Amino acid sequence: DAKTTQPPSMDCAEGRAANLPCNHSTISGNEYVYWYRQIHSQGPQYIIHGLKNNETNEMASLIITEDRKSSTLILPHATLRDTAVYYCIVRPPISSGSARQLTFGSGTQLTVLP
Amino acid sequence: KAGVTQTPRYLIKTRGQQVTLSCSPISGHRSVSWYQQTPGQGLQFLFEYFSETQRNKGNFPGRFSGRQFSNSRSEMNVSTLELGDSALYLCASSLTGVNSYEQYFGPGTRLTVT
Repeated sequence: DAKTTQPPSMDCAEGRAANLPCNHSTISGNEYVYWYRQIHSQGPQYIIHGLKNNETNEMASLIITEDRKSSTLILPHATLRDTAVYYCIVRPPISSGSARQLTFGSGTQLTVLP
Repeated sequence: KAGVTQTPRYLIKTRGQQVTLSCSPISGHRSVSWYQQTPGQGLQFLFEYFSETQRNKGNFPGRFSGRQFSNSRSEMNVSTLELGDSALYLCASSLTGVNSYEQYFGPGTRLTVT
């Protein structure tokens, strides 16, 4: 599986955009980038995923570089409730049969400050 | 739609005992995966069930087992509990189909072995 590298922690002021980077330089052409977050003592929450194009949903935007070696998760207007550990994951190829297995790294602890 | 539910939310057992955890997936989801999360090891994949059949299995000893019922509800069982089995056990469900690999997690069951 392709590995991901994320900064261990980041702070963001409430109301400002939070930009969380992820490096996945060994990603394969058919692997997706997924983002999850986990608020303390709760189960991980799916945020967004993408393959090549930038994606946006009601929670966040995902910007993937053209070479797909890195991506950025953007929370446009961070709130205190966005404080969580954010995980960037590269999903195994569908043909591997283990695509539903998710391997979480250390993630980024995002702290939104009032 | 109701989310993934897990019962019980908290459990305290002693070494040598066995425990059964329950997971009810989102309505319509046929895949249920189980994960163990500990501070030291992070999130580790236990196994996945689909249509009552185990489809994938992680690297855990045979003391960890599971099953899925015809209504897609799943249980996991841990026999002969060890102190190291203390963890947050997470269940995740997902839809079938090639493009349905988003996994939705439950709140988890916090197991403490004393």
